[in-house]
Amino acid sequence: GEDVEQSLFLSVREGDSSVINCTYTDSSSTYLYWYKQEPGAGLQLLTYIFSNMDMKQDQRLTVLLNKKDKHLSLRIADTQTGDSAIYLCAEAGYGGKLTFGTGTRLQVTL
Amino acid sequence: EAGVAQSPRYKIIEKRQSVAFWCNPISGHATLYWYQQILGQGPKLLIQFQNNGVVDDSQLPKDRFSAERLKGVDSTLKIQPAKLEDSAVYLCASSLAPPRGGGETQYFGPGTRLLVL
Repeated sequence: GEDVEQSLFLSVREGDSSVINCTYTDSSSTYLYWYKQEPGAGLQLLTYIFSNMDMKQDQRLTVLLNKKDKHLSLRIADTQTGDSAIYLCAEAGYGGKLTFGTGTRLQVTL
Repeated sequence: EAGVAQSPRYKIIEKRQSVAFWCNPISGHATLYWYQQILGQGPKLLIQFQNNGVVDDSQLPKDRFSAERLKGVDSTLKIQPAKLEDSAVYLCASSLAPPRGGGETQYFGPGTRLLVL
């Protein structure tokens, strides 16, 4: 079955880079997603990567995919206090069903 | 473009009571999803609709949960009777077309936070 794992907490200083990691088990996953969740709000899609790609960059966000190790990471450059939130990794399996990780809470300190 | 709308935003009920949640997806989105997010966990899919038909309800506790999307637009999710472990955020999402290997982006509503006492 599918399983997605993330570390629970990450603390970084404002201006530094943040790297949030995720591992997944379903080798047939076609797309992998990063969502941002702020308190009281729904999930906001940040970016996604197709499984035949190694890297995708979108402004301050860089996604790296190691398909062999089933490891996905999200790097946020120049992290700001507004980036404080929970970041959820998700894999899309058969029929597009999303399986989410537990989320990593990012705390940005001054 | 209006996003996914959900109501109510918060609900507090006692165990064994009934509750219903409403979702209005983005206009034109054929696929609608209901997720349950328990505190400290990621969202878990409860049910997926394609227009007014059910695509996947394998994770829906059918003895107490039901959902419908009669006209292929709005959807309601009902819990009857509620248990303490149903306390969670219920998220609705929609996507433009049937997912083809996961390529269709799912857009999420703000969620309904349910507390069962």
